[in-house]
Amino acid sequence: EAAVTQSPRNKVAVTGGKVTLSCNQTNNHNNMYWYRQDTGHGLRLIHYSYGAGSTEKGDIPDGYKASRPSQENFSLILELATPSQTSVYFCASGEGRDGGQLYFGEGSKLTVL
Amino acid sequence: GDSVIQMQGQVTLSENDFLFINCTYSTTGYPTLFWYVQYSGEGPQLLLQVTTANNKGSSRGFEATYDKGTTSFHLQKTSVQEIDSAVYYCAMRAANSAGNKLTFGIGTRVLVRP
Repeated sequence: EAAVTQSPRNKVAVTGGKVTLSCNQTNNHNNMYWYRQDTGHGLRLIHYSYGAGSTEKGDIPDGYKASRPSQENFSLILELATPSQTSVYFCASGEGRDGGQLYFGEGSKLTVL
Repeated sequence: GDSVIQMQGQVTLSENDFLFINCTYSTTGYPTLFWYVQYSGEGPQLLLQVTTANNKGSSRGFEATYDKGTTSFHLQKTSVQEIDSAVYYCAMRAANSAGNKLTFGIGTRVLVRP
């Protein structure tokens, strides 16, 4: 059973449109993360959360918002999508007591035309 | 700020070859270091974790070593197989990391030819 699930898995959006990527975890972890993956850059942290109601900026937050309405759900929001946001996005959950490892979803491929 | 440098973008090997991937890190204090593996079409998954307590870790035939003196850590496997073809990421959790964040290297794509 996949513990971190993302939707949609593939999305094509137009420049200036709004995009919401959703993530659900059944690990009961407090911390959740959004990373983007690009060739030559690896995985870069966009936003993260300590728990329901909290969102924190990661290393590359510009152009992105996040929402954590519950322990299980964490969304990444692109209010005005741009072609530079074309990427593969990964959600992860983790807990310090678990040695600090992160558990990733399968990724959401976003193409902004 | 915290950073991880992973120089090798792609490595092509034949089965039974030796694999070695090196990363260096920059941070204050002593971090916890990780190796993640990502198979095609999947998300990254933990391969190995190395802390200052033991300086080494091993899993699935892979071995990771952490050298505090040179602030480097590497991943090796004596004899790779075709199923080891994947992207390998080194990652670091800083000693004072807020939110248990991980900083990743750029990844090394390993292709093992039969």
